[in-house]
Amino acid sequence: DAKTTQPTSMDCAEGRAANLPCNHSTISGNEYVYWYRQIHSQGPQYIIHGLKNNETNEMASLIITEDRKSSTLILPHATLRDTAVYYCIVRSPSNTGKLIFGQGTTLQVKP
Amino acid sequence: GAVVSQHPSWVICKSGTSVKIECRSLDFQATTMFWYRQFPKQSLMLMATSNEGSKATYEQGVEKDKFLINHASLTLSTLTVTSAHPEDSSFYICSARDFGLSPSGANVLTFGAGSRLTVL
Repeated sequence: DAKTTQPTSMDCAEGRAANLPCNHSTISGNEYVYWYRQIHSQGPQYIIHGLKNNETNEMASLIITEDRKSSTLILPHATLRDTAVYYCIVRSPSNTGKLIFGQGTTLQVKP
Repeated sequence: GAVVSQHPSWVICKSGTSVKIECRSLDFQATTMFWYRQFPKQSLMLMATSNEGSKATYEQGVEKDKFLINHASLTLSTLTVTSAHPEDSSFYICSARDFGLSPSGANVLTFGAGSRLTVL
């Protein structure tokens, strides 16, 4: 599975959009991009995933570049409860299903 | 949505004793579950893949005799930390794949809330 690179930490003002980047320059054609987040002392929470097209759900939007080498997770109106570690993971469907977590981005939403 | 329940949420035990952690898929069947361990201020580390009706697959460096995994039914996997020592103190998290949430080709995992083990 392709390796991802994320900034170690980011700050965001409450009520503003939080844009979290992820670089996956070695991604293969059949690999999906997944985003999870982990709020302190809890299990990870699924946010969104995508293959080629941009995706949106009730939690966030996922923007994938045309060459698929990077993506951005957008939380449109960040709240203090969005403070968490955000993980970008790339994996192929042929994998057993396991997810390998990197270090992620610690997002601090400030009042 | 899919829910994965872990029990206990926290446990304290004496060194040398064994501790069992349960992971249940509440509203779906899971032929495969995954066990992770997380130390403070670190990321999740995959320990093993739990397969219903067969032996678990352990990641490199994880002692299979130390961390016993049993997946006896489609909704329950257990992790037993045998002869626990203080260095086994950690946050243990399980996850399972709900095929209902995963369209063909994707693998969306649902995670439990985690079990915090403290070995004295």
